[in-house]
Amino acid sequence: DQQVKQNSPSLSVQEGRISILNCDYTNSMFDYFLWYKKYPAEGPTFLISISSIKDKNEDGRFTVFLNKSAKHLSLHIVPSQPGDSAVYFCAASEGTYKYIFGTGTRLKVLA
Amino acid sequence: NAGVMQNPRHLVRRRGQEARLRCSPMKGHSHVYWYRQLPEEGLKFMVYLQKENIIDESGMPKERFSAEFPKEGPSILRIQQVVRGDSAAYFCASSSSGRNTDTQYFGPGTRLTVL
Repeated sequence: DQQVKQNSPSLSVQEGRISILNCDYTNSMFDYFLWYKKYPAEGPTFLISISSIKDKNEDGRFTVFLNKSAKHLSLHIVPSQPGDSAVYFCAASEGTYKYIFGTGTRLKVLA
Repeated sequence: NAGVMQNPRHLVRRRGQEARLRCSPMKGHSHVYWYRQLPEEGLKFMVYLQKENIIDESGMPKERFSAEFPKEGPSILRIQQVVRGDSAAYFCASSSSGRNTDTQYFGPGTRLTVL
């Protein structure tokens, strides 16, 4: 049972445009959400997080939006840069240390 | 480099051998987590440890897998009598506390290949 779903395995975006990565979840008890970026042969790197009491969190070019009623999370990257090309994982937790990860979306930013 | 360290980065074992994966947490972190990533899948939680204690091993297979985090030295994930299905990337993460809002920082991973 996949509690965190990233339904788009891949996404291509032109440099300078907006990248939107989506994530859906099924467990309404999740209260903390994170996005990690992963380059090949490296570990996941923390990008940004959001608590369920908020609906938006922004850090530089990265903004995460949370829609609790739709159980939907999205990561916006503006403007996209070639160095953003990586696999992006969303993760969620239900008040504990146990992060549940999605299967990832591979972003390719075209120069 | 004060980040999470893992070694070896790549490990090749034949079926039936033992695999030992090591993880040194980020400086100042005493909470360690192990995750496994199978090809084309997300990371799956295996075990959570603090110094000398296993807090939660609910994600770890009941047989052949064990983990420890001794008072001195790195955390060790041990897989006995490896099988082909154990081939995966194993990631260690650390945090300053066990709260979910204290971000887990990941190491580079160990890629285990079982021949």
